[in-house]
Amino acid sequence: NAGVMQNPRHLVRRRGQEARLRCSPMKGHSHVYWYRQLPEEGLKFMVYLQKENIIDESGMPKERFSAEFPKEGPSILRIQQVVRGDSAAYFCASSRPGQGIYEAFFGQGTRLTVV
Amino acid sequence: SQQGEEDPQALSIQEGENATMNCSYKTSINNLQWYRQNSGRGLVHLILIRSNEREKHSGRLRVTLDTSKKSSSLLITASRAADTASYFCATDRGAGNMLTFGGGTRLMVKP
Repeated sequence: NAGVMQNPRHLVRRRGQEARLRCSPMKGHSHVYWYRQLPEEGLKFMVYLQKENIIDESGMPKERFSAEFPKEGPSILRIQQVVRGDSAAYFCASSRPGQGIYEAFFGQGTRLTVV
Repeated sequence: SQQGEEDPQALSIQEGENATMNCSYKTSINNLQWYRQNSGRGLVHLILIRSNEREKHSGRLRVTLDTSKKSSSLLITASRAADTASYFCATDRGAGNMLTFGGGTRLMVKP
């Protein structure tokens, strides 16, 4: 019963390159959330997705950042033309579908370093 | 303004002592969750407490929620060196499980 899987665990990109972060939710989970964590800070919500739908992207920067959760395959967080300020840990969480209140389970994160 | 702020920001105690961390938030919530994060690792879910609950226990953990004061506390009893980590409270933002996290309390338990 695998948990939330994120890859890669570490990613180094040069300024101007693209970063693609992947997240496979837990089995049976169809809700995915992406968060960003700067050093010594808490997590900041970025985007909430369900299969093929973006539910809330109020925490996502308007430019260069995009996210998707296709019908098949993992959720992808894409950062185009990365800058040094994008260096952070990016966490994905998933939860069960339905109207109830369910725990969110987190992956181990992808640590992006922009050089 | 930040929803979910923990205090203290850092706490250092001896093994065997109890550790209490507090969390305050600003808007109404459906639930509040506590997470633990070891250095450089992901978050581990500890406890979820619903807005109509006042207290919840899980092993050595005790969480209280006071919605009138918009605050919660996490008590770890008989602490162990392995409890050394950062602890975050998170409140829901409405639909789904979008969470707003506080800045965390960094707990160090000395053996």
